[in-house]
Amino acid sequence: GAVVSQHPSWVICKSGTSVKIECRSLDFQATTMFWYRQFPKQSLMLMATSNEGSKATYEQGVEKDKFLINHASLTLSTLTVTSAHPEDSSFYICSVGTPAAKNIQYFGAGTRLSVL
Amino acid sequence: GQNIDQPTEMTATEGAIVQINCTYQTSGFNGLFWYQQHAGEAPTFLSYNVLDGLEEKGRFSSFLSRSKGYSYLLLKELQMKDSASYLCAVGGSGGYNKLIFGAGTRLAVHP
Repeated sequence: GAVVSQHPSWVICKSGTSVKIECRSLDFQATTMFWYRQFPKQSLMLMATSNEGSKATYEQGVEKDKFLINHASLTLSTLTVTSAHPEDSSFYICSVGTPAAKNIQYFGAGTRLSVL
Repeated sequence: GQNIDQPTEMTATEGAIVQINCTYQTSGFNGLFWYQQHAGEAPTFLSYNVLDGLEEKGRFSSFLSRSKGYSYLLLKELQMKDSASYLCAVGGSGGYNKLIFGAGTRLAVHP
């Protein structure tokens, strides 16, 4: 399967600041990446689909101006949480889609964001 | 709407067999996926079913019945390291390559 690197693994920031999370596909050209959010003891909630070279597609209820996604190359997608607030504290996980391989998604290790 | 149901928690004994069920009602279907997720870590892919029947992969097997909207994950010869959450996900609902996840089943394996 695809090898996905996500960075940073853990970040603490002050309320009102912005945080950027990187998701890299190390061995696969990813035209599509996905961003999820997971609260404790809950399942993965899809936030947006990141498309290389075009705008991301956001799920209903996700603020696109708050969660900025950039997918400028086939190996890198970034999620920027702008003006973070304590309620944005969560586990953010990216994945790489493999349309030619049964659409199996391979996940990064996740980023734990804590907003003080 | 989209609905994926699986039990919240299960317990089992080391060496035993456990079956984790998943039922789904979704607007589209492009495969049923099972993932394992240890606490604080990202999910790892376990299995994929798109046709009815049983898929076996080592100690893990997964079954699908599309007409019943039902799948199960079977874990044999349980080991302590199998203690994790198991996520059932349906592909193709709301988008060809999207996955919709169930809430997950937390499995605790005891000696």
